Amino acid sequence: GAVVSQHPSRVICKSGTSVKIECRSLDFQATTMFWYRQFPKQSLMLMATSNEGSKATYEQGVEKDKFLINHASLTLSTLTVTSAHPEDSSFYICSAAGWDNEQFFGPGTRLTVL
Amino acid sequence: GNSVTQMEGPVTLSEEAFLTINCTYTATGYPSLFWYVQYPGEGLQLLLKATKADDKGSNKGFEATYRKETTSFHLEKGSVQVSDSAVYFCALRAGGSYIPTFGRGTSLIVHP
Repeated sequence: GAVVSQHPSRVICKSGTSVKIECRSLDFQATTMFWYRQFPKQSLMLMATSNEGSKATYEQGVEKDKFLINHASLTLSTLTVTSAHPEDSSFYICSAAGWDNEQFFGPGTRLTVL
Repeated sequence: GNSVTQMEGPVTLSEEAFLTINCTYTATGYPSLFWYVQYPGEGLQLLLKATKADDKGSNKGFEATYRKETTSFHLEKGSVQVSDSAVYFCALRAGGSYIPTFGRGTSLIVHP
């Protein structure tokens, strides 16, 4: 089956620093990747959709200058949380979809901002 | 718009008990329906899916039947195990969109 990895799985950083999270599709080419945020005991909130080689489409209310998304290749997308603050602490999950649009989810990244 | 409603949890059961987690939906057109499972500290995994009315999705002893007349996709398992403890999300895709609409998730806790 299709495998999506995320790195790192956990990250702790100081307030004001930037953090980069990688999402890779390991055995298929992902034409589209998605970034979600999950608050404790809540569902997933779609943050943005990115297509390889083009700018990401952000959902309403998501700051594009704070959450920078790069989709440089068909197997890699990155989410950079810039100038992170404690309220950015969350579980970030990516998913990747191939030509058939079936989404496969990564294992998630736990971000803690001190 | 599209929406998914799941029963509130947590659902607490003893091992080998019967499980039902209710899910109903509102959607335009004919959605595809999904159940995802999230184990503690992990991302989502697709558990099962059904793409048209009366289809039954099944995997790992879990089943769900796409009921168009009641707009439901309830998840069932005849005998749960401790290892089934997780959060279960019902979701749909509709209207040609490839972005799922998720329910809020239902936590399942299975005691030995």
